[in-house]
Amino acid sequence: SSELTQDPAVSVALGQTVRITCQGDSLRSYYANWYQQKPGQAPVLVIYGKNNRPSGIPDRFSGSSSGNTASLTITGAQAEDEADYYCNSRDSSGNPVVFGGGTKLTVL
Amino acid sequence: EVQLVESGGGLVQPGGSLRLSCAASGFTVSSNYMSWVRQAPGKGLEWVSVIYSGGTTYYADSVKGRFTISRDNSKNTLYLQMNSLRAEDTAVYYCAREAAELGNAFDIWGQGTMVTVSS
Repeated sequence: SSELTQDPAVSVALGQTVRITCQGDSLRSYYANWYQQKPGQAPVLVIYGKNNRPSGIPDRFSGSSSGNTASLTITGAQAEDEADYYCNSRDSSGNPVVFGGGTKLTVL
Repeated sequence: EVQLVESGGGLVQPGGSLRLSCAASGFTVSSNYMSWVRQAPGKGLEWVSVIYSGGTTYYADSVKGRFTISRDNSKNTLYLQMNSLRAEDTAVYYCAREAAELGNAFDIWGQGTMVTVSS
């Protein structure tokens, strides 16, 4: 089955912009979705599809995609954005669902 | 209120069985794609199984032949029957809804239930 690859850790200065990436063959066919997970909590959907935010998600979160790479961008990162971020997509080559390994975001 | 509430986790010996439940409110389980996703301690999210609205099921290779996903429409509840449990099945198990209108993103998650496989 396909895999989605994420950098294990990324850091950003408070108020600056950070991009978290997700690579995989399935992203050539399907959009990535992005989830935020804080310690001890369930994941929360922050971006879905081409670049859509569920209700209640701040507009500093945005998504983009090119080729086999999807990106989550946080413009003006806040302290409360410090969390683990996971991408996922549909997968046509094996399991119907695949998750990335996650990226730990530290806001300095 | 739209929500999912898992139950049934606990401590089980290797080779044992456990059944997890996921009660839904505010929407109909049988009209949606419903998945189980697990997270081992300190690790990332791992998709485990899905049941489609039409009843088709899929499983990750790591649990195929040991786990069974099902639902009870009258109780609006999703289940995961876990047999032949191994230490590597130790994880928090989440149930989640795939929202077709959101490109099959997981828009609703339960709070998770912990499964520990240990002697």
